[in-house]
Amino acid sequence: GAVVSQHPSWVICKSGTSVKIECRSLDFQATTMFWYRQFPKQSLMLMATSNEGSKATYEQGVEKDKFLINHASLTLSTLTVTSAHPEDSSFYICSARPHSPGYTFGSGTRLTVV
Amino acid sequence: GESVGLHLPTLSVQEGDNSIINCAYSNSASDYFIWYKQESGKGPQFIIDIRSNMDKRQGQRVTVLLNKTVKHLSLQIAATQPGDSAVYFCAERNNAGNMLTFGGGTRLMVKP
Repeated sequence: GAVVSQHPSWVICKSGTSVKIECRSLDFQATTMFWYRQFPKQSLMLMATSNEGSKATYEQGVEKDKFLINHASLTLSTLTVTSAHPEDSSFYICSARPHSPGYTFGSGTRLTVV
Repeated sequence: GESVGLHLPTLSVQEGDNSIINCAYSNSASDYFIWYKQESGKGPQFIIDIRSNMDKRQGQRVTVLLNKTVKHLSLQIAATQPGDSAVYFCAERNNAGNMLTFGGGTRLMVKP
């Protein structure tokens, strides 16, 4: 089946530094990928839609200069959390839509900013 | 804005019993619905989907029911097993876009 690989699975960084999260579609091409954020015991909230070869579309309230998205190829989208602060600590999950049913999600990245 | 919500935050069932997880949605323009299972520390796992032109769909041990009149979606799990313990989310796709909107989630706890 369709697989979305997300890396790293967890990361701890110091406040003020930047962190890059990668999302790869392993066996299909994805012109569109989605980035979600999930706080503990809460649902997934869409942050942005990543479009291959063009600018990402951000949801209301999501700072595009803080959460940089790059979708340079049909199999890779990256999310960079810039100048991270403790309040950015969360579970970040990417998703893509293969030809098989549903939307496939990555395994998530647990970001802890200290 | 539009949202998808759930009635019960936690559902506790006995192993072997049937489970029913409910979801209310508000966007009448949604054309596609999906149920996901999420275990702790992992990404959502696809369970079953249904299009808006259907009212029922069955999978292995799972059934999804869609009532467009009252904008209600449910997931039925037959013979619930300990491995079914997880948080379940419903998600809807607006036919004007490509993204999913998730409901609040229900934690299913299966007692042995």
